[in-house]
Amino acid sequence: EAQVTQNPRYLITVTGKKLTVTCSQNMNHEYMSWYRQDPGLGLRQIYYSMNVEVTDKGDVPEGYKVSRKEKRNFPLILESPSPNQTSLYFCASSLGGYNTGELFFGEGSRLTVL
Amino acid sequence: AQSVAQPEDQVNVAEGNPLTVKCTYSVSGNPYLFWYVQYPNRGLQFLLKYITGDNLVKGSYGFEAEFNKSQTSFHLKKPSALVSDSALYFCAVRDPRGSTLGRLYFGRGTQLTVWP
Repeated sequence: EAQVTQNPRYLITVTGKKLTVTCSQNMNHEYMSWYRQDPGLGLRQIYYSMNVEVTDKGDVPEGYKVSRKEKRNFPLILESPSPNQTSLYFCASSLGGYNTGELFFGEGSRLTVL
Repeated sequence: AQSVAQPEDQVNVAEGNPLTVKCTYSVSGNPYLFWYVQYPNRGLQFLLKYITGDNLVKGSYGFEAEFNKSQTSFHLKKPSALVSDSALYFCAVRDPRGSTLGRLYFGRGTQLTVWP
């Protein structure tokens, strides 16, 4: 089954404790992206990757890091989480950045930073 | 700067009636436009897209959307609403030019409620 898998789905952590949210897709998609969803703000793009070893900033990259060493994986790293990073995070992928195809989304990861 | 506006936070409609969820965009040139739906505790699902060609595009679950370049709008429509259509709807735009190709901008979402 074609899917985007995120882990963990739910996480409560404390300020400053490094964490990684993993994202994996099995559709051989070139393009992957991370979004955060906050009430009243919709989805905001954090980082995206057009292909392996190619990443770029979205609207709200501060406090986040990403890497794209393999085509299928695109982890989101919070080196020192803060309470304002409490949010619902979505990973998404599509055939290619230059393609007009739609995004496939993961089920989301709800992160709470205390 | 690119942006998407969904002017209504909520839309309420009776089952069987037509529904419209509004979206306007601000992108120079010829944008790629998308609609996504989010059901509770789920990720977003693609509904339809406009890239080029016919201004009226049809998508999943009986939804359609009309691209209006002069009004910079891309409203989502359905002739007869179902209770199961109740969900959060997002409009999104991509500027296909140059360095911003990888950026996809979402609106804030419109909560659609269809009552029996």
